[in-house]
Amino acid sequence: AQSVTQLDSHVSVSEGTPVLLRCNYSSSYSPSLFWYVQHPNKGLQLLLKYTSAATLVKGINGFEAEFKKSETSFHLTKPSAHMSDAAEYFCVVSELAQAGTALIFGKGTTLSVSS
Amino acid sequence: DGGITQSPKYLFRKEGQNVTLSCEQNLNHDAMYWYRQDPGQGLRLIYYSQIVNDFQKGDIAEGYSVSREKKESFPLTVTSAQKNPTAFYLCASSDREIYGYTFGSGTRLTVV
Repeated sequence: AQSVTQLDSHVSVSEGTPVLLRCNYSSSYSPSLFWYVQHPNKGLQLLLKYTSAATLVKGINGFEAEFKKSETSFHLTKPSAHMSDAAEYFCVVSELAQAGTALIFGKGTTLSVSS
Repeated sequence: DGGITQSPKYLFRKEGQNVTLSCEQNLNHDAMYWYRQDPGQGLRLIYYSQIVNDFQKGDIAEGYSVSREKKESFPLTVTSAQKNPTAFYLCASSDREIYGYTFGSGTRLTVV
């Protein structure tokens, strides 16, 4: 079975400094991987996705992630944090289930940004 | 604009009552999903449906029921058998090929 582990439940950064949110996955197949962002009491918004094309994926709002098969990692980065980046971030892997596909979510990383 | 609409945004239920959460999409997506979100738990899959009139149990289906009579609609009923129903519920949809989901804005259910 596929799974995803977000290594930090909470990350705090100062505005203007780099962001690193770590994600490891396990998969028997070639996975599809995603990062989603959720602001308080809102739905989830897709930041970026990896689907076996380029290993460095660029997303919205200046975020990017690199797929490293040898390390089974898909860490999310941003060069310079902004106050509006404060939110919960989910690393997600796709799973080929019995009758279709479903996404498997990590437990989330809360990003705090201070001024 | 295309998207997913969940209603209501906030819902209060007395213990022992069933309640139905609405999810409607106009994206022409085949697949629809219900997730439950609790603090520190991430999202857990309740039910999903790949086509009309067919649905599958997810990881935590006990105490929930769904129907898929129309492609656009995938309502979730939280029954009195669900022991801890207070949570944030998210509906999502996707094309048959998985390239990520589109999520609704969620319904926060509180049992009083």
